[in-house]
Amino acid sequence: AQSVTQLDSHVSVSEGTPVLLRCNYSSSYSPSLFWYVQHPNKGLQLLLKYTSAATLVKGINGFEAEFKKSETSFHLTKPSAHMSDAAEYFCVVSVGGGTSYGKLTFGQGTILTVHP
Amino acid sequence: GAVVSQHPSWVICKSGTSVKIECRSLDFQATTMFWYRQFPKQSLMLMATSNEGSKATYEQGVEKDKFLINHASLTLSTLTVTSAHPEDSSFYICSAREGIGYTFGSGTRLTVV
Repeated sequence: AQSVTQLDSHVSVSEGTPVLLRCNYSSSYSPSLFWYVQHPNKGLQLLLKYTSAATLVKGINGFEAEFKKSETSFHLTKPSAHMSDAAEYFCVVSVGGGTSYGKLTFGQGTILTVHP
Repeated sequence: GAVVSQHPSWVICKSGTSVKIECRSLDFQATTMFWYRQFPKQSLMLMATSNEGSKATYEQGVEKDKFLINHASLTLSTLTVTSAHPEDSSFYICSAREGIGYTFGSGTRLTVV
């Protein structure tokens, strides 16, 4: 079985300050991990993905995430928030084997608010 | 990159009618398509997994006779909500596996009145 926990339902930051969105996962197999962003009434856009290569993954729009197996974490960060970053972010896990092969499990989502 | 085109983007229908949602992979072949629904202020929940040419696999609690999934070709999968009721109002999103990643459609906002 696999699961994802996003530790904060809401995060509020000021423009220009760092962003940290926290995610912990559990998986019986080697996971692939993703971060997606969703703007209101829109589909999901992939920010970045981890698939057992480098543990520090760089994505689009200045986002990056670090896979820490010992902590079962995959936190999303950005050095400096922009107003356009305000959206909902989902941490997602997919396993490579077992009966859950290929299925994505989504975290509960974190709404990021950016203040001027 | 890979693109999944989902239509319609929004639809309003009367209670008791059926609605069909289409997802097309535009520049790749989607052997597997996943269908999700998202209630307001909630995360995405997997409804079913469809493989081209075979029956869809539904998640526990999802009525297969109500949510009909057809994946007749490698580029098209459809979800039909039959005899829709207000409680079926939701945001439906499809996703296709492409390589080691997943591409999502833009979603369909269904409102049943």
